[in-house]
Amino acid sequence: AQTVTQSQPEMSVQEAETVTLSCTYDTSENNYYLFWYKQPPSRQMILVIRQEAYKQQNATENRFSVNFQKAAKSFSLKISDSQLGDTAMYFCALFSGGGADGLTFGKGTHLIIQP
Amino acid sequence: KAGVTQTPRYLIKTRGQQVTLSCSPISGHRSVSWYQQTPGQGLQFLFEYFSETQRNKGNFPGRFSGRQFSNSRSEMNVSTLELGDSALYLCASSPTVITEAFFGQGTRLTVV
Repeated sequence: AQTVTQSQPEMSVQEAETVTLSCTYDTSENNYYLFWYKQPPSRQMILVIRQEAYKQQNATENRFSVNFQKAAKSFSLKISDSQLGDTAMYFCALFSGGGADGLTFGKGTHLIIQP
Repeated sequence: KAGVTQTPRYLIKTRGQQVTLSCSPISGHRSVSWYQQTPGQGLQFLFEYFSETQRNKGNFPGRFSGRQFSNSRSEMNVSTLELGDSALYLCASSPTVITEAFFGQGTRLTVV
């Protein structure tokens, strides 16, 4: 069975700072995808960034970037120049194989951006 | 392009009743997957439908079922509701496989 672990239940940083959220995963598949989703108080799950395992280059989306360490099975999210609107739950998720487990999510990290 | 639409947004049901939730995916998307989110268990995969067929299923009892129509709209049904079924139910839409999933706003189900 595949697993996703987020070891930081909550993090708090000042506005404009850079913050890194950690995620480790486990899968026996060679072909898989990793995601970071943001869930603000509205409860809408928003796709932040996606990484294909076969791509060595780390994905970036504006202020969001990942550090994908395939051998270590680590997938961290870096948010630069953090903004108040970044306050939300952040979930790391894994899709692998034929999708028998759908998306497997971590327990989430509650990120608070302080003014 | 319209996003994923889930209806209703909120539901209150009594233990023992049944409930049906609806999900309309993004136009052109053929895969719909469902997830249950609770404070204790987090986000758990219920099932995935593709072209009207259940393609994958999570580890939930048979009280949880679903279907998909020819227009890709999907419904999930929970029979004989239990208090523990109270949760946010999220639907995700994908073009073909869940390598890119877009979520609806969810249905908040409360069982009393």
